[in-house]
Formats: sequence, structure tokens, C-alpha cells
Amino acid sequence: GAVVSQHPSRVICKSGTSVKIECRSLDFQATTMFWYRQFPKKSLMLMATSNEGSKATYEQGVEKDKFLINHASLTLSTLTVTSAHPEDSSFYICSASVWRNEQFFGPGTRLTVL
Amino acid sequence: AQSVTQLDSQVPVFEEAPVELRCNYSSSVSVYLFWYVQYPNQGLQLLLKYLSGSTLVKGINGFEAEFNKSQTSFHLRKPSVHISDTAEYFCAVGKNAGNNRKLIWGLGTSLAVNP
Repeated sequence: GAVVSQHPSRVICKSGTSVKIECRSLDFQATTMFWYRQFPKKSLMLMATSNEGSKATYEQGVEKDKFLINHASLTLSTLTVTSAHPEDSSFYICSASVWRNEQFFGPGTRLTVL
Repeated sequence: AQSVTQLDSQVPVFEEAPVELRCNYSSSVSVYLFWYVQYPNQGLQLLLKYLSGSTLVKGINGFEAEFNKSQTSFHLRKPSVHISDTAEYFCAVGKNAGNNRKLIWGLGTSLAVNP
């Protein structure tokens, strides 16, 4: 089956610093990658949809200047949390798909901002 | 607008008992329905999906779900659960957006299987 990886799996950073999370589709070329945020015991919140070679489409209420998304190739998308604050601490999950087909999910990245 | 309601936030059940996790959706267009499972500190794994055709859908790990258009439901069932089925289960409806299909998520149901 299709495999999606995320790196790092866990990251702890100081308040005010920036953190980059990578999402890779390992065995297929993804036309679209999605970035989600998940709070404890809560559902997934879609943050943005990213198509290769074009700007990401952010969901309402998500600050695009704070959560920078780059989708430079068909196998790699990155999410950068800029000037991180403790309230940005969360579980970030990416998924990848080909057009309207099934989304394959990465294992997630646990971000803790001190 | 599409939405998904998972009626039970927590479902405790004994091992080898049957279980049903309920999901209702609202949509004015064609629906694509999904159930995902999430084990602790892991990503999501697709259990099963309904895109078209037979309303009874069989998935992995012995789970199945039935699409009921008149009741706008897509309940997940398993006749006999195992301890290893303890996890968070999410129901989602797919929404076409251009060339993509976004997923609208329910809040999840925490299944706890006790010995």
C-alpha cells in the first residue's frame, strides 16, 4: 500500500522559534497533500490543502503567515510553524492523495512548544 | 454544508462482544463515506469506504459498515471485538473541491475493549 512518512515524529522547541515538519509520499506521486492538526481527544482539523507547484489553500481561521506550507515536488510537502508559541503545541498529521482518490496518512508529528 | 456526527464519544465493551459505532452525516450532494482508525500516538488507517454500489461495505480487521441513505447513516459494526481493537474511530464524509476531495470529520468515538 501507499506509504506516507513524516519527520520528525516528535519535536520540542522554545517559544519564538520556527519548526519545519516534512511529509513525504514514499512510493507514489501525490498531486495533493493535506495538513491537519489534532488536539487531544479531538477530531482532525484540516489546516490547508496543498497542490504541487501551487500555493496552498488554507481553511478559514488558519493563519497562512504562521503556518507556511511548501509543496515543491510530487513527493514532498513541508509545514513550517513560525514563531511558535505554547498554544501551537499539538499533533500535526499530513496526508497525501492522487486527485480525488484515497488519502494516505502519515504517522503524525508531536510538537511541544516550551 | 456537509457535516458528520458521531453519536457516541466513548464506547466501552467486553472482549468478544459485538459493537456498533454510530455515524450520521448531512449532505446535499453525492456522498463518499469513510471510517478510519487511529491507534495511540499514530496516524490514521483506513478501515473501509463507501463510494458507490453495494450499501454493505466490508473492511479490514473484520469491520463492516452499512450505508443507509434514507437515515443518512453509516454505522460501523464488528460482531466480535478484540482487545487490540481499542482505539479511536473516526467517521468522515468526502467533499469534492476542484481536483481534490477534502474530508469532513466527526469528533471520533473512543472504543475501549475490556477483558
